[in-house]
Parts: sequence; C-alpha cells; structure tokens
Amino acid sequence: GAGVSQSPSNKVTEKGKDVELRCDPISGHTALYWYRQRLGQGLEFLIYFQGNSAPDKSGLPSDRFSAERTGESVSTLTIQRTQQEDSAVYLCASSPLAGAGELFFGEGSRLTVL
Amino acid sequence: AQSVTQLDSQVPVFEEAPVELRCNYSSSVSVYLFWYVQYPNQGLQLLLKYLSGSTLVKGINGFEAEFNKSQTSFHLRKPSVHISDTAEYFCAVNRWGGSNYKLTFGKGTLLTVNP
Repeated sequence: GAGVSQSPSNKVTEKGKDVELRCDPISGHTALYWYRQRLGQGLEFLIYFQGNSAPDKSGLPSDRFSAERTGESVSTLTIQRTQQEDSAVYLCASSPLAGAGELFFGEGSRLTVL
Repeated sequence: AQSVTQLDSQVPVFEEAPVELRCNYSSSVSVYLFWYVQYPNQGLQLLLKYLSGSTLVKGINGFEAEFNKSQTSFHLRKPSVHISDTAEYFCAVNRWGGSNYKLTFGKGTLLTVNP
C-alpha cells in the first residue's frame, strides 16, 4: 500500500532484551517522526528526522533508546535492555513538509515487556 | 513551550446527538492547531487543521472546530454523531517558526456513541 508501514505490529519481549522497530514512510516524504503512546496517555514525541539534517533526539527518554534513518527511507527505533515501563505503542509518522504539514501515521508497533 | 489540555478523557453520547470535544492550548507564540482521530486498531488520521484565516474550520465526516484565540481553545463539534464516530480524538498544537515541527498532543478523548 501507499501508507506508512510499521513492523512488527506486535512484539512481546522479556525484560532486558533488545528490540528493533521498523518504519517505512510514504515515498517522497522527507520528514519522519517517532511517537510513543502509553495506555491512557497522549502521544509522546521521541525523535524527528528531516532529510539529511541532524535528527532532533530531544524526546528520547534514555540512552537505551536510539533511532536511525537511511536518507529519506526506512527508519529503525532500537530499545536496548528493555524495561517494563517501555511497554507502549510506538507510532511512526511521515510528512512531506515539516511544520504545518499533515502527519501520516502508521498503525503502530505494540511493545509488551514482561 | 506549548501544551494541550483535553478536558474530557471520555465522552459517551447517544447516536444522532450533538457532541463537543474540548481542547485548550498554551503557547507564547502563534500556533497551528489540529484534530486527529484514531479508530480502534488503526493509526491516527487528520480530521481538520487550523493554519490561518477563518476561525471556523470544517473537516472530514461532518466535524468542525472553532479557533478562539482569546480563550486559547479549539473545540471540536459535530451536530449529529453516528455509531461509526466511536474513536479516540486527539488535539495537537504546533507553533509557528523555529523548531516548528514538533506536534504536541493532548491525552485524547474517547468518544463512545451508543445506539
């Protein structure tokens, strides 16, 4: 399809394991965002990529979290040594224009840390 | 810094009744405002947005919102809801200029439409 694709859709892992979440943005979208959605909470900004500019990592909650993006394509969000508080839905969005542009969201990756 | 407050976490209504979902924001500069909807087991999609111009904004599925600068509000309304409108609704704000790419979301309002 032509939308934002995220994988896996569901991931159950044990505390202390590393996980990798993947996002395929809409082709041609230069901006890519990661948000975290905890149960009963709003969307928490994690990181933003815009073209070849340095990413804004100001929302990453700890150094266990990292993200990469290759050019204007796929992005991966990696969580090392997962903790139970990392359990959440991780949403990826892309946009053709930063700022006033509309964000197009994927369906999210639901992470459960046991 | 900017923030968004959605005053109601849950709003139950009957089908064909009117509904208003409240949103207030805080920002020291001019802003763009958005409403997104998340249907069960789906990603978020844009309902409507206010960038400039007319303060009454119309969106998809019969929803509209009014920007009120003096009250720093952007409430979402629909005159007659359907069962299919059951979803979570998120208000979001993005300030003009600078690092204006960081959408700040409210905690969401769960709208449940009952028959």
